[in-house]
Amino acid sequence: EDKVVQSPLSLVVHEGDTVTLNCSYEVTNFRSLLWYKQEKKAPTFLFMLTSSGIEKKSGRLSSILDKKELFSILNITATQTGDSAVYLCAVYTHNTNAGKSTFGDGTTLTVKP
Amino acid sequence: DGGITQSPKYLFRKEGQNVTLSCEQNLNHDAMYWYRQDPGQGLRLIYYSQIVNDFQKGDIAEGYSVSREKKESFPLTVTSAQKNPTAFYLCASSETSGRNNEQFFGPGTRLTVL
Repeated sequence: EDKVVQSPLSLVVHEGDTVTLNCSYEVTNFRSLLWYKQEKKAPTFLFMLTSSGIEKKSGRLSSILDKKELFSILNITATQTGDSAVYLCAVYTHNTNAGKSTFGDGTTLTVKP
Repeated sequence: DGGITQSPKYLFRKEGQNVTLSCEQNLNHDAMYWYRQDPGQGLRLIYYSQIVNDFQKGDIAEGYSVSREKKESFPLTVTSAQKNPTAFYLCASSETSGRNNEQFFGPGTRLTVL
């Protein structure tokens, strides 16, 4: 059974702090690892990672994948209250029949002013 | 405007009744997915479909059924056999080309069984 584990489950920081969110996985037929941000309802896409060691960056957010150690991290620098959300990690796998994503339980980030 | 829609936003049902949740997309995506989310938890896969007239069970398919008669539509029926149906249900779609595994999500349906 495919498994994705995120840590910590929740985190409270103050504006301006830097945070690191972790995602480890054990799956078969790995294709990619994806990060999503969920504020109220629908998750929105942040990054897709397929290769080890290549950092993806978007503003204050960055992410990297280690396929040997089977984990990824999501970094947020200079946090703002608008970064408060649940951050979901998902691993996309594909066998001969179909592809699907397995999600972790998410990390709830609260950024205080 | 391309996107994925779910209806209704909120749904209340009495215990023992079947209920169908709607999901429609106009992104021309082949793949569609249904997830369930409980408070403080991530998304758990119920059913998924890569192509019309074909679908696979996810991790928690018991008590649910789906159909995929059209590419644009993937309705989910929550049956009376589902022991704990109250939850937030999310529908998603994606390409199947292999290059982009990003899923696009609908706004969700919050189902409450009384």
